[in-house]
Parts: sequence; structure tokens; C-alpha cells
Amino acid sequence: AQSVTQPDIHITVSEGASLELRCNYSYGATPYLFWYVQSPGQGLQLLLKYFSGDTLVQGIKGFEAEFKRSQSSFNLRKPSVHWSDAAEYFCAVGPLSGGYNKLIFGAGTRLAVHP
Amino acid sequence: GAGVSQSPSNKVTEKGKDVELRCDPISGHTALYWYRQRLGQGLEFLIYFQGNSAPDKSGLPSDRFSAERTGESVSTLTIQRTQQEDSAVYLCASSSSGGRDTQYFGPGTRLTVL
Repeated sequence: AQSVTQPDIHITVSEGASLELRCNYSYGATPYLFWYVQSPGQGLQLLLKYFSGDTLVQGIKGFEAEFKRSQSSFNLRKPSVHWSDAAEYFCAVGPLSGGYNKLIFGAGTRLAVHP
Repeated sequence: GAGVSQSPSNKVTEKGKDVELRCDPISGHTALYWYRQRLGQGLEFLIYFQGNSAPDKSGLPSDRFSAERTGESVSTLTIQRTQQEDSAVYLCASSSSGGRDTQYFGPGTRLTVL
């Protein structure tokens, strides 16, 4: 079955510290991978996406993610977290070939940032 | 408009009532998606519209759920005879076309069924 797992429900980091949010997926074919961020009262915003090429993808707001096929993972990283990064983060997968973006989402990781 | 808008932002209803949720996609976007986000869970795909093609309704959880879209404009998601398990945030997204174009999400409608 197709699924996305985000093992960490809540993460708390200090401002300026590095961040890594984990994402593992189970998908029958080569997936199309996404990270979205959801701030309170706002819709989801796309941080980055990967479908081919360099496995290290750069996104907005200083985020990056690395696709590791052997580990079925697509972890999100940021070298130095800002207080404004506090939000909920969702990993998602979609079909790479054919079709459209019928995305499958993980349950999300809520990030808190301490000053 | 500048982004996807949804109304109402919050809806409280009694069990058994019907509700209608509205989504205004970004102007010119032909593809429109509805998702449901239950508390503490990720988004679940409900339905997809692309232009005038037949919608993909494969994610609708029961026949109490239906959605309409006229052309490339507004969409409405209707839930009949609401149940408490329907309580969730309903999110709409649009993209410029089908395929794998980036989906832009609205702020959602928080539905509470008492």
C-alpha cells in the first residue's frame, strides 16, 4: 500500500540550531516527492519538490531535502532555524509517471522553535 | 484572485444537517482538488476536477459527499446528513493544469459537527 510516514509528531529546536525532519514512503513506483509547510490559519505552501536529477533539492526559506532511494526517505533539513519556521510540515508523494498529483500525505511534524 | 480562497472559514453544524463548502481557485487554473485533514492526520484526497473532464471521485468517503465544479470556476463540496466523524478541515487546491503542476492550497474550512 502507498503510504508516507513522518515518525516525529512534534519537534522542538532552539533558534539557530539545525533541523532535520524525517520522511519515509512506501510507493509502488518511482515517486514524485514534496514538502509542504502549514502555518496557523494558512493554507499549505510548497517548500520544495523532487522528481528526478540531483537528489539534493533546494527549496524556499533556506530548506533543502535529500532523496535516498535505498532508504525510501526524503528528509527535510535546514542549517539554522528561525523563529518564523515554527509551523507544521508535511511530506507527500505523488505519481511520477502519468496521471496527476493525487498526493498522499504524511501525518505531519509540528515544529516549535525556542528563542 | 491572488490565491485560492475558501468559505466559510469555520462552520459549526448539527449532526444530520447538510453543509456546503466553497472553493474559489486561482484564476486560470484548470485543475482543482479537495482534501480532508482530520485532527492530527495528514491530508486525504477526496476529489479532482480537470477542466470539463469527468472528475476523479475515488477519494470520496461515502455517498453523502459530493462536489461540483462548473467549467474552470468555483467548486462546492456538499456533505449531506453530516456525522461527527465528518469534523475536519477541508482544503481546496488548484493548479494551472493537470499533471504534476504545483498545487496551491486555500486556507481551508474547519467543519465541526456537534
